[in-house]
Amino acid sequence: TQLLEQSPQFLSIQEGENLTVYCNSSSVFSSLQWYRQEPGEGPVLLVTVVTGGEVKKLKRLTFQFGDARKDSSLHITAAQTGDTGLYLCAGAVTSGSRLTFGEGTQLTVNP
Amino acid sequence: DTEVTQTPKHLVMGMTNKKSLKCEQHMGHRAMYWYKQKAKKPPELMFVYSYEKLSINESVPSRFSPECPNSSLLNLHLHALQPEDSALYLCASSQTGGGTGPSPLHFGNGTRLTVT
Repeated sequence: TQLLEQSPQFLSIQEGENLTVYCNSSSVFSSLQWYRQEPGEGPVLLVTVVTGGEVKKLKRLTFQFGDARKDSSLHITAAQTGDTGLYLCAGAVTSGSRLTFGEGTQLTVNP
Repeated sequence: DTEVTQTPKHLVMGMTNKKSLKCEQHMGHRAMYWYKQKAKKPPELMFVYSYEKLSINESVPSRFSPECPNSSLLNLHLHALQPEDSALYLCASSQTGGGTGPSPLHFGNGTRLTVT
């Protein structure tokens, strides 16, 4: 059983469109991290969310942590081709436990 | 540019070969990790070193042998691999210590391994 479910698994959109990626679980997480992995590179941390209900913005990216700390979302406004990559959420149920990765969302933004 | 450096970038090896993957970081991180990643899948944890001691081995076959010579270096020794071991091998590091959750991982760009 996957602890963290990400949806959609694959997403192909045109430049300029908006999109949302979801990361859901039946478990409560102490924190959630979002990473982006571009082709040929390792994952790079985008943001960490810690508090239930928290919203963080990173330019055109908006991250939200659910009130119950069981889910998170990533919204991208006006997608660009440079946003193409594998988006991974990762969380830990306690501060001392290891990170668990979701299955990832493969995003392709077409010109 | 990543602050975690992995060499080589690409490696092709036969099933009878012995090779090593290398990883280096100079951020003062005391936790270092090896992950295996198949195409379009999330990284799978293999080993964790904390303060140069092996703290987690995720039931990895003995044909993979990790080594942490010092706080900046991490090696993965490979011997008698199988074709299904072909994957991207990622090294990562992080600060240790608690707080609100595990520290973020800093990944290298990986070694693309092909076993023939």
